[in-house]
Amino acid sequence: AQKVTQAQTEISVVEKEDVTLDCVYETRDTTYYLFWYKQPPSGELVFLIRRNSFDEQNEISGRYSWNFQKSTSSFNFTITASQVVDSAVYFCALRNNFGNEKLTFGTGTRLTIIP
Amino acid sequence: SQTIHQWPATLVQPVGSPLSLECTVEGTSNPNLYWYRQAAGRGLQLLFYSVGIGQISSEVPQNLSASRPQDRQFILSSKKLLLSDSGFYLCAWSAFISSGSGHEQYFGPGTRLTVT
Repeated sequence: AQKVTQAQTEISVVEKEDVTLDCVYETRDTTYYLFWYKQPPSGELVFLIRRNSFDEQNEISGRYSWNFQKSTSSFNFTITASQVVDSAVYFCALRNNFGNEKLTFGTGTRLTIIP
Repeated sequence: SQTIHQWPATLVQPVGSPLSLECTVEGTSNPNLYWYRQAAGRGLQLLFYSVGIGQISSEVPQNLSASRPQDRQFILSSKKLLLSDSGFYLCAWSAFISSGSGHEQYFGPGTRLTVT
């Protein structure tokens, strides 16, 4: 069975601080995909990144960066120089390589950026 | 570009009343379609998914049902709502893109359902 754990339920940081959101996953598959989504107060989930299990290169996109480590089954997300607009609930998700493409979501981390 | 629509945006219904939520996708063909529910302060629970017209898979037993009458239309229904059906309902689509950059799911704006 697949499982995604986001142990941090809520995080608050002061604006311009860096913050890392943790994601630990469990799967028996050798091929899988990991995702991060952002859910702002409006409710719609916004896709941020997809990473496949064969690509352990870290990725940076502006103030966002992702650290994928298969050895520890983790896919952590760091926001550098946080801004108030980063306040949202962030979900990590896992999908296996089967055809139905079902996503297993973590329970989310609520991030609050204090101005 | 692809877009996904959901309506209504909000809904207040009494216990025992029927439900019909609609989701449509534009700009793509033969998408996989999904219905999720998010209870207040909780994660996302997959309810149904569909890989084609008339093909529905249910993930959890409940008093809800789903139908896909057209390629890009996905409907969530109930004959009699329960209090526990309250929540935020999200529709999503995914499609494989030949460049290999597909598989992620894209979500609609959601419907906030309150059962009173």
